[in-house]
Amino acid sequence: QVQLVQSGAEVKKPGASVKVSCKASGYTFTSYDINWVRQATGQGLEWMGWMNPNSGNTGYAQKFQGRVTMTRNTSISTAYMELSSLRSEDTAVYYCARGAPGGAVDYWGQGTLVTVSS
Amino acid sequence: DIQMTQSPSSLSASVGDRVTITCRASQSISSYLNWYQQKPGKAPKLLIYAASSLQSGVPSRFSGSGSGTDFTLTISSLQPEDFATYYCQQSYSTVTFGPGTKVDIK
Repeated sequence: QVQLVQSGAEVKKPGASVKVSCKASGYTFTSYDINWVRQATGQGLEWMGWMNPNSGNTGYAQKFQGRVTMTRNTSISTAYMELSSLRSEDTAVYYCARGAPGGAVDYWGQGTLVTVSS
Repeated sequence: DIQMTQSPSSLSASVGDRVTITCRASQSISSYLNWYQQKPGKAPKLLIYAASSLQSGVPSRFSGSGSGTDFTLTISSLQPEDFATYYCQQSYSTVTFGPGTKVDIK
């Protein structure tokens, strides 16, 4: 069965960076895009960007351009999302999710809580 | 960027009720519209893709319709497990989500 398993919770200081991992199993990792979506407590879903694990091509939401980097290691079927220059407003649960044809996302990781606090 | 709005932002309903949620895009998105259900503390779940296609494993009481700028999600007979927040998402041009509609118990 398709599974996306994310790394554990992180606590970071303002100005630092965080790197979240997302290990895929149950399907061919290079055949589907990986999207990253975040959700602050009590708030809605915010799309951050996508990555094609086969080519490494990426597309980022304008809000995160220059601060986010999405990469992958195909040998271990793992995607990564790194967010830099963290501020308190970046405190949220970060999800990876598999992209389906047409742009929907059909499988989601369990989420990783990133807390930014001094 | 394409902006998405949803109405209502919240609603109270009873088991067995027919529930309709509306999603509107700021410009035409053809049928590139998807619906998700999210329960507290859980990841979202895909319900409907391409405006009206039911995701595998999703009960048939869920249905979607619309194209262009106006879309609806309908739950034909609300069940106890359907109390959740529902989000629309456009995938026509990058991706944006609607603000969500919370469905709770009347």
